[in-house]
Amino acid sequence: DVKVTQSSRYLVKRTGEKVFLECVQDMDHENMFWYRQDPGLGLRLIYFSYDVKMKEKGDIPEGYSVSREKKERFSLILESASTNQTSMYLCASSLGLAGVNEQFFGPGTRLTVL
Amino acid sequence: AQTVTQSQPEMSVQEAETVTLSCTYDTSESNYYLFWYKQPPSRQMILVIRQEAYKQQNATENRFSVNFQKAAKSFSLKISDSQLGDTAMYFCAHFSQGGSEKLVFGKGTKLTVNP
Repeated sequence: DVKVTQSSRYLVKRTGEKVFLECVQDMDHENMFWYRQDPGLGLRLIYFSYDVKMKEKGDIPEGYSVSREKKERFSLILESASTNQTSMYLCASSLGLAGVNEQFFGPGTRLTVL
Repeated sequence: AQTVTQSQPEMSVQEAETVTLSCTYDTSESNYYLFWYKQPPSRQMILVIRQEAYKQQNATENRFSVNFQKAAKSFSLKISDSQLGDTAMYFCAHFSQGGSEKLVFGKGTKLTVNP
């Protein structure tokens, strides 16, 4: 079974802090994604990566950056956390052409920025 | 721009009954893929069913089936013999090759199965 893990289930940070959210998948998937999930808004794509050291902006990249130094690991970075970044963050991975095949999701990190 | 619309924010159904969740999408591409994902309370999102646009036959997975109406750009999910474990958020999603190259999600439908 594909396993996608995220470093924390719950995280509380202060405004202005630098925040790292880590995601690891164990099935050698090329593609990895970071989504933000807010009530009434569904899932919105922040960034995705289709290969090591490659990244593409999603629909809401402002205030975020990403890093993919190894194939299995995809990190989301909030350079200076703000209260409007309080949300649920979901990581996902997939094989082949991104979007064509099933995406496997992690359990999510619920981030609260005070 | 590709959009996905789920017009029912919340629905409820009695155990053992059938329920249909609606989804419409907009695309100008001819080759695309449609998905239903399920997110149970406090659990990971999982794929329920996948449909390729060029296949006319509606996809089915056990108690889950879709009604894919390509001309109407409609992709509804039917859950038969509803079970308590079907209680979840359900998200419809669409991907077009040659389009934005991103999976676009609807806003979700919260389904509650009552005993």
